[in-house]
Amino acid sequence: SQQGEEDPQALSIQEGENATMNCSYKTSINNLQWYRQNSGRGLVHLILIRSNEREKHSGRLRVTLDTSKKSSSLLITASRAADTASYFCATDAGYNTDKLIFGTGTRLQVFP
Amino acid sequence: SAVISQKPSRDICQRGTSLTIQCQVDSQVTMMFWYRQQPGQSLTLIATANQGSEATYESGFVIDKFPISRPNLTFSTLTVSNMSPEDSSIYLCSVPRRQGRTEAFFGQGTRLTVV
Repeated sequence: SQQGEEDPQALSIQEGENATMNCSYKTSINNLQWYRQNSGRGLVHLILIRSNEREKHSGRLRVTLDTSKKSSSLLITASRAADTASYFCATDAGYNTDKLIFGTGTRLQVFP
Repeated sequence: SAVISQKPSRDICQRGTSLTIQCQVDSQVTMMFWYRQQPGQSLTLIATANQGSEATYESGFVIDKFPISRPNLTFSTLTVSNMSPEDSSIYLCSVPRRQGRTEAFFGQGTRLTVV
């Protein structure tokens, strides 16, 4: 069953603008991850935030996690056309498992 | 970082036939995962491929429809059997980045169209 719901489903912005995507999940987690998928190809891991962390940065990416609200956000700053892709949050499926449960995804389009 | 070679990258198949997708990893891994991504949708886990034992299937997926082989620690296959147009999806294999860690590497996916 789907763990995460993401919004917006689709987002269109101009280069240089910031893009914010949100993810909500249903059960307790050990960590939450964000992945990127270009044109229906393989996924690439972007960043992981643990359940005891509230914010994490990696380059132009900023991830927040609010476990009380069971939600996370991914902020891409100063977006580029090359950031055009689908972005998925994923949570671990439970304790002591490597399985991931993916959110519904946000399709980001960055116009030059 | 693990390199995963998945093939075919795409195929168009007739209904009623079967397609076997291969996934080769450049290092030994205990677990491999197979996902399905239906058009415009997110990823859904089909099964976990364990070396030396039967694959573990998620709810809604059965071995007769999606038989999986795992002959060694670097290779796995997923077969989509007796295909129908509803099986048209992207199928992806995945391995954990490190033992006991959930961050994952993914193959490039197989885009399957059933006509």
